[in-house]
Amino acid sequence: QLVVTQSPSASASLGASVKLTCTLSSGHSNYAIAWHQQQSEKGPRYLMKVNRNGSHTRGDGIPDRFSGSSSGAERYLTISTLQSEDEADYYCQSWGTAIRVFGGGTKLTVL
Amino acid sequence: EVHLVESGGGLVKPGGSLRLSCAASGFSLSNYTMNWVRQAPGKGLEWVSSISSRGTYIYYADSVKGRFTISRDNAKNSLYLQMDSLRAEDTAVYYCAREVGYCSGGNCYSMYYFDFWGQGTLVTVLS
Repeated sequence: QLVVTQSPSASASLGASVKLTCTLSSGHSNYAIAWHQQQSEKGPRYLMKVNRNGSHTRGDGIPDRFSGSSSGAERYLTISTLQSEDEADYYCQSWGTAIRVFGGGTKLTVL
Repeated sequence: EVHLVESGGGLVKPGGSLRLSCAASGFSLSNYTMNWVRQAPGKGLEWVSSISSRGTYIYYADSVKGRFTISRDNAKNSLYLQMDSLRAEDTAVYYCAREVGYCSGGNCYSMYYFDFWGQGTLVTVLS
């Protein structure tokens, strides 16, 4: 069964970098994932797709401060030069033919 | 510019029904697989249902199977979700979301992840 796991919270200082982690369940370590950002009281926004080899494809208008990478069953979202508007919930999403799956989300606090 | 606008949410009693709509603009709905995703108050995102570009392939989360029906009208550039036998645990903001895809040789294919989302419509199930 495909499951994606995220830490519930993360924090980093304004101007610093932060790396969020999404972990794929056993047997699914070669799956790609997508990252989505949800700011307070807004609908989600697609950030990027991250492949098993670490290559990533950002959505339209997503700044290159956002980057993706991979290691084994883990997929990462790194945000550099943190800005106040980066404070949001971040969700990873994976999929099979008949299913779409979200992680529980990571709440990022910018200090 | 791609826009997805949900409507049809509201307050309904347990056991009742509601029909959600999603109006798409800025692209041809007929080329894309579409989804409904919900978010209960204070909770994370939960995938609800998916429908392929021509409506051939339809999938549901176990939590709504047998109670919800997804459909589409490509001529009207609209996506729908018929929700029956509603329960308190169906209370959530419901989003429609487009999947990344491409068309080739007259067929359209999905990449299974979402690239555009609507702003959502709130469904409250309360006695």
